[in-house]
Amino acid sequence: GAVVSQHPSWVICKSGTSVKIECRSLDFQATTMFWYRQFPKQSLMLMATSNEGSKATYEQGVEKDKFLINHASLTLSTLTVTSAHPEDSSFYICSARPGHTKSYEQYFGPGTRLTVT
Amino acid sequence: KNEVEQSPQNLTAQEGEFITINCSYSVGISALHWLQQHPGGGIVSLFMLSSGKKKHGRLIATINIQEKHSSLHITASHPRDSAVYICAVRIQGAQKLVFGQGTRLTINP
Repeated sequence: GAVVSQHPSWVICKSGTSVKIECRSLDFQATTMFWYRQFPKQSLMLMATSNEGSKATYEQGVEKDKFLINHASLTLSTLTVTSAHPEDSSFYICSARPGHTKSYEQYFGPGTRLTVT
Repeated sequence: KNEVEQSPQNLTAQEGEFITINCSYSVGISALHWLQQHPGGGIVSLFMLSSGKKKHGRLIATINIQEKHSSLHITASHPRDSAVYICAVRIQGAQKLVFGQGTRLTINP
């Protein structure tokens, strides 16, 4: 089956620093990638949708200058949390949708646990 | 009211029991996903349905488009099935998924 990887799987950073999370589709081309965050015992919350080669579309309430998303290729999207604060500590998950038409399939990465101290 | 509602929120059963998790939604959809999330956090896509029924091993997923309802069944449940099961729908005309709150399943040996 289709595989999506994330790197790193966990990261600890100090307040005020930036951290980059990578999401890769390993065996398919993903024209669309999604970034979610999940707080403990809560469901996934969509942060943004990114289409290859264009600017990401952010959900209401998500600061685009704080959560920078780049989808420069059909297999890689990155999420950069800038000037991280402890309240940004969360579980970040990406998913990717194959590029062929009429596909509703979506494959999820294993997630990245971010802790900001 | 959430667009996607799951029941029950929590379910504890004994090994071997037949498990049913329900998902109801209130919008027109193009597809429905059942996802599994283990305590470590990673999400596995179990099924994607737009009609009818799918089976994979001990897992069966059904959907009734007219009634806006889907069920996930687990036969001969095992402790390793313990996880959070999440129903997510793709609203017609949209790219993003709308998620249910999840059902936390615990199977005791």
